[in-house]
Amino acid sequence: GAVVSQHPSRVICKSGTSVKIECRSLDFQATTMFWYRQFPKQSLMLMATSNEGSKATYEQGVEKDKFLINHASLTLSTLTVTSAHPEDSSFYICSARDPGDTQYFGPGTRLTVL
Amino acid sequence: DAKTTQPPSMDCAEGRAANLPCNHSTISGNEYVYWYRQIHSQGPQYIIHGLKNNETNEMASLIITEDRKSSTLILPHATLRDTAVYYCIVVSGYSTLTFGKGTMLLVSP
Repeated sequence: GAVVSQHPSRVICKSGTSVKIECRSLDFQATTMFWYRQFPKQSLMLMATSNEGSKATYEQGVEKDKFLINHASLTLSTLTVTSAHPEDSSFYICSARDPGDTQYFGPGTRLTVL
Repeated sequence: DAKTTQPPSMDCAEGRAANLPCNHSTISGNEYVYWYRQIHSQGPQYIIHGLKNNETNEMASLIITEDRKSSTLILPHATLRDTAVYYCIVVSGYSTLTFGKGTMLLVSP
């Protein structure tokens, strides 16, 4: 199947700092990528839909000024968590939709905010 | 998108077939059935999808009933590495994936 990578796999940061997570589709071009968040023992929750060359669409309750999304190319989307707080600690997962409309997921990024 | 219902957990002996059911009685004509699985602390892995015909790939088989109101994912020879949460998701074309609670499959020696 198609491969989607994420970097970093885990990050620890201090409260108030910003963290950038990269998501790359390695063997296909993705006009649409997605960002999810997963808290312990819960299912994945969609945060936003990222379309190449345009603004991201955020789900209700997700602050667009806190979670900045950039989809500057057909293989790269980035999520920046600004002014991170301990409650932002979570497992962040991206996915990319291939030309056949199947979504492939990255391995996830574990964010811990101290 | 149509809602799906899956059992919260299932057990399977290693080497045996694992049959995971999914009900999607409100599925509409243009909606596909997708299966993903998530091994602990990893991103979800795509397994298989279908519209109305049965599908098979190197990972699994997908059996969709004729009325499309339910489906079964079959792992023909389960291994310990197949222990994961399995998600059945019904979605149309450009819609987003909505994850429910899935089925926790435990494969035991």
